Amino acid sequence: GDSVTQMEGPVTLSEEAFLTINCTYTATGYPSLFWYVQYPGEGLQLLLKATKADDKGSNKGFEATYRKETTSFHLEKGSVQVSDSAVYFCAPQGSGGYQKVTFGTGTKLQVIP
Amino acid sequence: DVKVTQSSRYLVKRTGEKVFLECVQDMDHENMFWYRQDPGLGLRLIYFSYDVKMKEKGDIPEGYSVSREKKERFSLILESASTNQTSMYLCASRKVDTHYYGYTFGSGTRLTVV
Repeated sequence: GDSVTQMEGPVTLSEEAFLTINCTYTATGYPSLFWYVQYPGEGLQLLLKATKADDKGSNKGFEATYRKETTSFHLEKGSVQVSDSAVYFCAPQGSGGYQKVTFGTGTKLQVIP
Repeated sequence: DVKVTQSSRYLVKRTGEKVFLECVQDMDHENMFWYRQDPGLGLRLIYFSYDVKMKEKGDIPEGYSVSREKKERFSLILESASTNQTSMYLCASRKVDTHYYGYTFGSGTRLTVV
């Protein structure tokens, strides 16, 4: 089955630092790739997605590029803010209506002023 | 915007009680899911439903059952609550037609079993 490996957290950064959260996956076929974000006390929200190789997803200053050759989808942001403190989940999703999403364990990001 | 609404944000129940967690979505999504989230374990799939009246076991179905009598509503039932079911429960839904759509999650129900 599908699996996801995310870098261990927590990640602690100072405000305006550069962020990378690594994600690699194994999946059959050509999944779409998603990053979700979970703010404290909330459910998950879709942050960005990419649906084919070399696509770049972006939202709220975050970016991730679908790297088929390395099966990776690393999340990056050039300058983090305190409000970015949250847990981030990487999730590949296969095609078709009968596919479950496999979530990574999540990476907690803490941004300090 | 699509909304997934979970009936309670916080719930405290006693051991042995039968507990119902309700989830309603308003955008005619076919797929619905129940996860539990625990520190260090990430999200684990309990049950899911491809469409109305359909259900499939996820990775950790023991001690749980589900009901999907209407397309918009997916209920998770704890038959006899135990302390090890204290957790955050997340409901999600998804439109089927392509894999370009991600999940839409509810805000979660934090259940404490005492």
